[in-house]
Amino acid sequence: AQSVTQLDSHVSVSEGTPVLLRCNYSSSYSPSLFWYVQHPNKGLQLLLKYTSAATLVKGINGFEAEFKKSETSFHLTKPSAHMSDAAEYFCVVSPMNTGFQKLVFGTGTRLLVSP
Amino acid sequence: DVKVTQSSRYLVKRTGEKVFLECVQDMDHENMFWYRQDPGLGLRLIYFSYDVKMKEKGDIPEGYSVSREKKERFSLILESASTNQTSMYLCASSFRGHGYTFGSGTRLTVV
Repeated sequence: AQSVTQLDSHVSVSEGTPVLLRCNYSSSYSPSLFWYVQHPNKGLQLLLKYTSAATLVKGINGFEAEFKKSETSFHLTKPSAHMSDAAEYFCVVSPMNTGFQKLVFGTGTRLLVSP
Repeated sequence: DVKVTQSSRYLVKRTGEKVFLECVQDMDHENMFWYRQDPGLGLRLIYFSYDVKMKEKGDIPEGYSVSREKKERFSLILESASTNQTSMYLCASSFRGHGYTFGSGTRLTVV
């Protein structure tokens, strides 16, 4: 079975400081891993995805994530937070061995950015 | 860009009513999904469909059914709405291996 654990329900940062959103996964098979972002009253938008190529994945809006198999982690980072980054972020896992891509979501981390 | 359109942004229904949530995608995707989103629980899969007239239960199908008569449309049906079905409902579509596209969601309140 696959699962993800987002270690923080809320993260608060100041504008211009680094962002770290933590995610650990569990998967019986080599997983695909994703980060999605949801701004208030909006649908989910894909930030980045890992699918067994490079372990450091770059996404949109300056975000990146590193796949660490030994630590079963896929933490999301950004060097400098912007006010517009305030949103809810979801870490997502999908097993690679299935022909059908079923996603399993974490419970989400709300990022708060203060001026 | 793929668009996934959910017909209602906000919906208020009474307990016991039959409720239809509609979702349409415009990029010929085979796979379509219905999730519900609740604070602290993330997104949970209700039902999905990988082809016309095909449906599979997700993790929380109780109290729901679905219909997929055409490839572009996937409907979620609450046979008899209850207050514990008050939630945000998100529809998504995907083409195998190419990631999901989500709709903007329908916030359903059952009173």
